[in-house]
Amino acid sequence: AQTVTQSQPEMSVQEAETVTLSCTYDTSENNYYLFWYKQPPSRQMILVIRQEAYKQQNATENRFSVNFQKAAKSFSLKISDSQLGDTAMYFCASQNTDKLIFGTGTRLQVFP
Amino acid sequence: ETGVTQTPRHLVMGMTNKKSLKCEQHLGHNAMYWYKQSAKKPLELMFVYSLEERVENNSVPSRFSPECPNSSHLFLHLHTLQPEDSALYLCASSQIIGSYNEQFFGPGTRLTVL
Repeated sequence: AQTVTQSQPEMSVQEAETVTLSCTYDTSENNYYLFWYKQPPSRQMILVIRQEAYKQQNATENRFSVNFQKAAKSFSLKISDSQLGDTAMYFCASQNTDKLIFGTGTRLQVFP
Repeated sequence: ETGVTQTPRHLVMGMTNKKSLKCEQHLGHNAMYWYKQSAKKPLELMFVYSLEERVENNSVPSRFSPECPNSSHLFLHLHTLQPEDSALYLCASSQIIGSYNEQFFGPGTRLTVL
């Protein structure tokens, strides 16, 4: 079965600093997608960034970037210049056909 | 209208009650989902509807009954729930194109079963 593991239940970072959230996954698929979702305290889950497995180039969205290591099945999220609004739960997910498999999440707290 | 809406946002019910959760998507998507989110657990996929046909039921107890009358609306009918069913229930929708399936989530319904 496909699994996604987030080994950091909680992380904290000071405003303007950089933080990296870890994610590993297991899949037998050759072509798949990986996602990071953010769930702020208001609960609406929103997509932060996506990565296509067949693309070697790491995805970047403004202050958010990923380190995708396909052989190691690792997909970490780096947040640069952290802002107070980045405080949220972050979920890593892998796509298996029409299903998303989620990790347990990492709670990120950004301190002023 | 925001992309995916859910009502109610909060619901408290007794074990003998019958209630329904509603989800509506305004994105023109062809698939809709129900997830259960419990503390310290991964999101659990409950039901998947694609083109209004149910294609996935992850062994969810029959006290949860989904309904998808059209591509924009999804319901979750609840009856004789247990306290362990208390959780955040999230609805999502997506436009499935080939192998790509980016899901858009609603704000969720916080359910408490007494």
